[in-house]
Amino acid sequence: AQTVTQSQPEMSVQEAETVTLSCTYDTSESDYYLFWYKQPPSRQMILVIRQEAYKQQNATENRFSVNFQKAAKSFSLKISDSQLGDAAMYFCALLNANTGNQFYFGTGTSLTVIP
Amino acid sequence: KAGVTQTPRYLIKTRGQQVTLSCSPISGHRSVSWYQQTPGQGLQFLFEYFSETQRNKGNFPGRFSGRQFSNSRSEMNVSTLELGDSALYLCASSLYSGGGEAFFGQGTRLTVV
Repeated sequence: AQTVTQSQPEMSVQEAETVTLSCTYDTSESDYYLFWYKQPPSRQMILVIRQEAYKQQNATENRFSVNFQKAAKSFSLKISDSQLGDAAMYFCALLNANTGNQFYFGTGTSLTVIP
Repeated sequence: KAGVTQTPRYLIKTRGQQVTLSCSPISGHRSVSWYQQTPGQGLQFLFEYFSETQRNKGNFPGRFSGRQFSNSRSEMNVSTLELGDSALYLCASSLYSGGGEAFFGQGTRLTVV
């Protein structure tokens, strides 16, 4: 069974500060991908960052970076220099390469950015 | 490049009716997958279509069905609507199936009364 767990329903961060969102997952597959998606009030899911499980190097996209700990099955998202536009629901997601585009999503973390 | 387009954006239907939702993927993308999002169950996978074939299906009753056309546009149909079908339905478009980036539409908000 594939599961994704986000244990922080809500988080807040001061503008310009750094925040880390946690995610753990479980899969029996060896070939998989991990994602962080952002869902603002507009409801459109926006890809933040993608990590291939076979890559040891942590993915980075501008102010967003991940800490991928494969053995611990942990995949946290770090947002640096937080901006007001970062306020949204963040979903961690798992995709197994052999089962098409069937994403398994966590329950989400609602991030508030305080001016 | 146009994004993923879902129509309609909002729908109100009566219990027992049926509904069809549409998703136009990004040009060139051959995979379309559908998700149901509710406050109680979160985001759940419905099914994926790739090159007009259903690739896999989530754990939903047979009232939920879909199809994909030769231009990769996809439709999702829900028959005999129940109150619990009220949700945001999202579709995702990908170039290929398995591992690539998925781009989501803005969703269709379905309310069943």
